[in-house]
Amino acid sequence: EIVLTQSPGTLSLSPGERATLSCRASQSVSSSYLAWYQQKPGQAPRLLIYGASSRATGIPDRFSGSGSGTDFTLSISRLEPEDFAVYFCLQYGSSLRTFGQGTKVEIK
Amino acid sequence: QVQLVQSGAEVRKPGASVKVSCKASGYTFNSYYLHWVRQAPGQGLEWMGIMDPTLRNATVGYAQKFQGRVNMTRDTSTSTVYMQLSSLKSEDTAVYYCARTRGSGRAYFDYWGQGTLVTVSS
Repeated sequence: EIVLTQSPGTLSLSPGERATLSCRASQSVSSSYLAWYQQKPGQAPRLLIYGASSRATGIPDRFSGSGSGTDFTLSISRLEPEDFAVYFCLQYGSSLRTFGQGTKVEIK
Repeated sequence: QVQLVQSGAEVRKPGASVKVSCKASGYTFNSYYLHWVRQAPGQGLEWMGIMDPTLRNATVGYAQKFQGRVNMTRDTSTSTVYMQLSSLKSEDTAVYYCARTRGSGRAYFDYWGQGTLVTVSS
C-alpha cells in the first residue's frame, strides 16, 4: 500500500498570498497518477488536478500541480476567499487507491 | 450536469447492517465505474470497493479490509448503486461517499456524492 503524507497539516494564510501544499508518497507513484481535491464542510470533494499537473475542467489557473515520483505539490498562486478549505491528494497508480490525510488552508 | 445524490444519514446499533444509496444522473450510467470511499471522524479517506456497471452482470471488487462485510449492488432502472455494510462496529462510524471513475484501473475520481453519515452507537 502506498502511504501518502501531506504537509503541513494546517496552513494559515491571508487572501492574496501563495499557498504551497506537499504530498509525499512512501514509494514512487507510477506515471504521476496523482490527483488533488478540494473539500469544504458538508460538500462533496471537488477534483482540481489529475495526472499530477493537469487542471480539471473549470478549475481556475491559480491552481497548479507539479511533481513526480514520490514528491508532489499543489500551489495556489493567490488565495481567494473561496479557496479556504481542506485539500487532499489521491494516488491511483496502484490497485489500491490511497489518499493523503489532508491539509487545511485557513484564514490567518 | 453530472450528479451523484446519496441517501440521508443513518444511525445503527453495533452488529446491525446499513444500506446507503447513490443515484446517478447527468451521464450514461453504464459508462462509468462507481466506488465507495469512507472517512471516519478526524481520519483520512479510505477506499472500500468498486462496481463495474458496464457489464450485464456488474462485477465488484472490494478492499481486503471489507471483504465479507460489504456488498455493492445496482438498479439500472433507476441508475442507483447501493453499498451495504454488515456487522457494524463503532469504528464504522464515518461519512460514506460514492464516486465515479472512467475506468477501473488507473483512473481518478472525477465526481463524488455529497456523503452519507453513518453513526454506529449503542
